[in-house]
Amino acid sequence: GDSVTQMEGPVTLSEEAFLTINCTYTATGYPSLFWYVQYPGEGLQLLLKATKADDKGSNKGFEATYRKETTSFHLEKGSVQVSDSAVYFCALSGGSGGSNYKLTFGKGTLLTVNP
Amino acid sequence: GAVVSQHPSWVICKSGTSVKIECRSLDFQATTMFWYRQFPKQSLMLMATSNEGSKATYEQGVEKDKFLINHASLTLSTLTVTSAHPEDSSFYICSASGGLQDTQYFGPGTRLTVL
Repeated sequence: GDSVTQMEGPVTLSEEAFLTINCTYTATGYPSLFWYVQYPGEGLQLLLKATKADDKGSNKGFEATYRKETTSFHLEKGSVQVSDSAVYFCALSGGSGGSNYKLTFGKGTLLTVNP
Repeated sequence: GAVVSQHPSWVICKSGTSVKIECRSLDFQATTMFWYRQFPKQSLMLMATSNEGSKATYEQGVEKDKFLINHASLTLSTLTVTSAHPEDSSFYICSASGGLQDTQYFGPGTRLTVL
């Protein structure tokens, strides 16, 4: 079945540092890939997505490129802020599970940004 | 953006009792609602999908008689954990969307502890 593996945290950075959170996936077919963010006390929010190979999703300074050859969707941001502190989840849908709407999540990575 | 609430945010109950968790879409009509379960340091796992006015579809391995889902209106779905046991202790998260293929909007989750 489908699976998502993302780097284990916690990740602690200083403000303005460069961020990378690695995410790789296992799925047959052509899944869509997502990054969700969960701020303290809130529900998961869609941060960005990509629906086909070589697509780049971007939002709020975050970017991730759908790499089919390496089955990866790494999240990057050039300069993090304290307000980016949250848990980040990589996810996919529409892979070998067969149902386009079902989301398969990674375990989440806690990011803490210090001033 | 769309807001989904859950109530209660946390609950402690005795073994053998039943607990009801509510999921509400506050500013949109949710044709489809999803229920997830998350163990510490683990991924969100989809338990069931419900469409308004019809029976929920449960994922393999999820006991439908234990986890009762009702989606009686376009803004409310409930999950009842019947005869709860300590192994049911977990973080339960709902999401709502305007349709199976639409973006899912997540609630903040409910922490259930069964003593």
